[in-house]
Amino acid sequence: AQTVTQSQPEMSVQEAETVTLSCTYDTSESDYYLFWYKQPPSRQMILVIRQEAYKQQNATENRFSVNFQKAAKSFSLKISDSQLGDAAMYFCAYRSAYSNYQLIWGAGTKLIIKP
Amino acid sequence: NAGVTQTPKFRVLKTGQSMTLLCAQDMNHEYMYWYRQDPGMGLRLIHYSVGEGTTAKGEVPDGYNVSRLKKQNFLLGLESAAPSQTSVYFCASSQPRGAYEQYFGPGTRLTVT
Repeated sequence: AQTVTQSQPEMSVQEAETVTLSCTYDTSESDYYLFWYKQPPSRQMILVIRQEAYKQQNATENRFSVNFQKAAKSFSLKISDSQLGDAAMYFCAYRSAYSNYQLIWGAGTKLIIKP
Repeated sequence: NAGVTQTPKFRVLKTGQSMTLLCAQDMNHEYMYWYRQDPGMGLRLIHYSVGEGTTAKGEVPDGYNVSRLKKQNFLLGLESAAPSQTSVYFCASSQPRGAYEQYFGPGTRLTVT
């Protein structure tokens, strides 16, 4: 069975600096999708970025980018120029390309932004 | 577009009471999901639906029932609430193509005393 591990329960960063959140996963499959979701204090779960395993190029969305290392089964999220509004829980999630519904979730990392 | 909405946002139940959570989406998505979120854990899938009139069990289905009579609505029922069902409940929807990105509602905080 697939598992997703976020080893950092909490991270903090100074405003305007860069922070990287870690995510590792375990799978025997070759085709899958990876996601980062953000959950601010409002509770709303917001999709930040996604990565298709068959794509070698790392996904980027404005200040958010990933470092996808397929062989190492690692999927870290880099947030550049951190802003106060980035403070939230961040969840990493995995979906097999052979499943039409199942998302496997990590336990989350709480990101604190210091002004 | 409102996206995915959930009713109610908060609810307190006594043990043994019943209630229904309503999820509605206006994105014409085929797939809908119910999750629960407990402290220190990621989301866990309760039930899901791949289309109107269909439902299936997820990871933690016991104590819950669901119905999808209309494509845009997905109902989650608790027939006899227990304190272990105290949680935050999220509904999500997706289209069955590509990455199947899931879009979430704002959540319902349920407390069972």
